Amino acid sequence: SAVISQKPSRDICQRGTSLTIQCQVDSQVTMMFWYRQQPGQSLTLIATANQGSEATYESGFVIDKFPISRPNLTFSTLTVSNMSPEDSSIYLCSWRGGSGNEQFFGPGTRLTVL
Amino acid sequence: GENVEQHPSTLSVQEGDSAVIKCTYSDSASNYFPWYKQELGKRPQLIIDIRSNVGEKKDQRIAVTLNKTAKHFSLHITETQPEDSAVYFCAARGTDSWGKFQFGAGTQVVVTP
Repeated sequence: SAVISQKPSRDICQRGTSLTIQCQVDSQVTMMFWYRQQPGQSLTLIATANQGSEATYESGFVIDKFPISRPNLTFSTLTVSNMSPEDSSIYLCSWRGGSGNEQFFGPGTRLTVL
Repeated sequence: GENVEQHPSTLSVQEGDSAVIKCTYSDSASNYFPWYKQELGKRPQLIIDIRSNVGEKKDQRIAVTLNKTAKHFSLHITETQPEDSAVYFCAARGTDSWGKFQFGAGTQVVVTP
């Protein structure tokens, strides 16, 4: 399966600032997803990011707070804007395999907002 | 949309015993059910999956069963080992245009020697 990398792996940020998380896949994938995983919790989908179209956001997540780019079939970014301590979480990018079923996750970005 | 419930939230087993985690889903049209294992500080890893046209699938010490009528599926781990200790998530693929996954709340499995 494709190898997926994420940068940064972790960061500590100040309230009110923004952080952009990068996700790189070593092969072309159509469907990419961004998830948030708060401590001890399950995986919550933020948005679906497909190349050539605007990201589709889930209820409770808005583009102004979590802008997403998907410039090509191997790369995507998620920005966490105007951060507050409540944004402290692990953010995971994810992609769907060629069969359209299997879904794989990047290593995650552990974000702490002070 | 799809809703997935997972039980139990924690499971402690003696090494060598079996562990069973159960999930129920709401959308009868869902047709793909993966299971993920997440070790502490690591990403979720796909360990086994099952499609709706199959009732059971096995891979070495792990197996998954699916009951479409009752809309529930289960993960079975036999001969548990300490390295099986992790959080396990079930998921169901929804029938929306993207086939988004709905994840269960997770089960913390602790295997004690």
